[in-house]
Amino acid sequence: ETGVTQTPRHLVMGMTNKKSLKCEQHLGHNAMYWYKQSAKKPLELMFVYNFKEQTENNSVPSRFSPECPNSSHLFLHLHTLQPEDSALYLCASSQITAGASPYEQYFGPGTRLTVT
Amino acid sequence: AQSVTQLGSHVSVSEGALVLLRCNYSSSVPPYLFWYVQYPNQGLQLLLKYTTGATLVKGINGFEAEFKKSETSFHLTKPSAHMSDAAEYFCAVSQNTGNQFYFGTGTSLTVIP
Repeated sequence: ETGVTQTPRHLVMGMTNKKSLKCEQHLGHNAMYWYKQSAKKPLELMFVYNFKEQTENNSVPSRFSPECPNSSHLFLHLHTLQPEDSALYLCASSQITAGASPYEQYFGPGTRLTVT
Repeated sequence: AQSVTQLGSHVSVSEGALVLLRCNYSSSVPPYLFWYVQYPNQGLQLLLKYTTGATLVKGINGFEAEFKKSETSFHLTKPSAHMSDAAEYFCAVSQNTGNQFYFGTGTSLTVIP
């Protein structure tokens, strides 16, 4: 595998279900991100992890719970979601070096989530 | 605060015609600017970026963009559109510290044969 991979690619879940999205980066990066992409809206940054530590949580509801066990893996645990949570969830990674300019983020293909 | 505005959510061009996708940004500090492309059912792929130095930046697939500080713009161009250029294009801005990116709402490019 190369780049950033995400599983599953498609997920349909009921409002009472619990599921998890998985992201893995094979680039040796030290930062990982979760984004939500909804139609006609800018990408919404949800969570940021630097060196496995969460550094950003942009007012995301608690029904979304991230987990970063190591610098290569990132999970998004989902429970009691709402229909408006249906969207494409993108994972990204980048290499952060103190004092250097920000490097581009590399994105996975996303998980298309439908909440019924 | 940082923000990005992409004028025109949909742009159509004929094959072989000039592609121009507009991006304006607001930033309280010198920005770093990016263009990403998203093909159907795929993630975002970096086209090009501006950090410092030359204001005309060349990217992949024949695209280029020019950073114009006075106009706070970073428009994306390609001299001759190809059918394979049909995709969603996103402009993004980042500041010189931290690792937060701010994306525009995207422009969907259609190429007409």
